[in-house]
Amino acid sequence: AQKITQTQPGMFVQEKEAVTLDCTYDTSDPSYGLFWYKQPSSGEMIFLIYQGSYDQQNATEGRYSLNFQKARKSANLVISASQLGDSAMYFCAMRDELHMNYGGSQGNLIFGKGTKLSVKP
Amino acid sequence: DARVTQTPRHKVTEMGQEVTMRCQPILGHNTVFWYRQTMMQGLELLAYFRNRAPLDDSGMPKDRFSAEMPDATLATLKIQPSEPRDSAVYFCASGLGGDSYNEQFFGPGTRLTVL
Repeated sequence: AQKITQTQPGMFVQEKEAVTLDCTYDTSDPSYGLFWYKQPSSGEMIFLIYQGSYDQQNATEGRYSLNFQKARKSANLVISASQLGDSAMYFCAMRDELHMNYGGSQGNLIFGKGTKLSVKP
Repeated sequence: DARVTQTPRHKVTEMGQEVTMRCQPILGHNTVFWYRQTMMQGLELLAYFRNRAPLDDSGMPKDRFSAEMPDATLATLKIQPSEPRDSAVYFCASGLGGDSYNEQFFGPGTRLTVL
């Protein structure tokens, strides 16, 4: 069964510094997608970044980058130049793309437990 | 700015009452998901639809929960009768199924409290 593990319940980072949020995953499928979502205190889920299992390069979106190490089954999120507004819960998620493409599970997301990031001024 | 909308945003009810949550997916999206978020379990999939057909509702307690899509612009999640353990935030998300890359757009959630 697929599984996402986030081992850091909480993290602190100084404003303007970089921070890495850990995520490891477990799947036996060769094709999958990895996502990071941000959930601020207001509660909405905000998509940040996506990495496909066959993508050759690490995904980047502005200050967000995904450190994808396929052999280690890790997909860590790196936030550069942290801002106070980055304080939130961060969720790593996986989608089963193989089954989706063959009309099976259609791509539901499996989420980790989340990491609460606090940015200090 | 296309968004998933959910109503109500907050609901407080008493045990045994029926609760109906509604979701309007983004126009053109053909896949709709219902997730539940609790402190203990985190985010869990309850059900999802593609082209209005239910594809997977294995995460949903069948005896009290039901999910439907009466039309392409409305998805509903109903709990009858509600119990205190149903207290959670219920998210609806929509996306385009069938693509190799498919972001799911989440609604703002319905915060349900069952007393």
